[in-house]
Amino acid sequence: DTGVSQNPRHKITKRGQNVTFRCDPISEHNRLYWYRQTLGQGPEFLTYFQNEAQLEKSRLLSDRFSAERPKGSFSTLEIQRTEQGDSAMYLCASSLATGSSGNTIYFGEGSWLTVV
Amino acid sequence: AQKITQTQPGMFVQEKEAVTLDCTYDTSDQSYGLFWYKQPSSGEMIFLIYQGSYDEQNATEGRYSLNFQKARKSANLVISASQLGDSAMYFCAMRRPSGGYNKLIFGAGTRLAVHP
Repeated sequence: DTGVSQNPRHKITKRGQNVTFRCDPISEHNRLYWYRQTLGQGPEFLTYFQNEAQLEKSRLLSDRFSAERPKGSFSTLEIQRTEQGDSAMYLCASSLATGSSGNTIYFGEGSWLTVV
Repeated sequence: AQKITQTQPGMFVQEKEAVTLDCTYDTSDQSYGLFWYKQPSSGEMIFLIYQGSYDEQNATEGRYSLNFQKARKSANLVISASQLGDSAMYFCAMRRPSGGYNKLIFGAGTRLAVHP
């Protein structure tokens, strides 16, 4: 399978615990994105990387959230001291960087987080 | 503000019939891209079709076509010959040049139910 891969697919955690999600993008894609989607809403942009550099972060990304892409390949999204409001699906996506509006962004299957 | 509006929370269609899902957008950019994604219950966002703001012809991809009316700022998705497997959430999204086309802005989505 050469698509965007995310794991774990589902995570239930107690409030206050830390969680980490991993994303493996399409191999030749140098851009990697994280989005968050809550029930009944469309995805919202969180952050993106070009290679290993994190170039933009949304105001939605509080200090408890950290994303890394250490070697420009896979990425991790860590949420520290989880809160019930963090319950959502976290979607990873990747694309090529060509400065064109038509460059398709491909998404993974998402990681569902439930904070109890 | 840049915005995507999908006014139909839910749509029903009979199998083999055509259906139109509405999308309007708001932007002051001259160059932008419009996308439609399908999200089945599994969670994955599946790319369906793309329309660039400078494209003179409406985009088509198999049973999917995009009715692009630039002056009205609308980009409706038309699904011909609906199939049971088309039942899913459908999201319209826009990509803007700000920051190098690095993120998508999504609408709230339309849930499509195809009946046999």
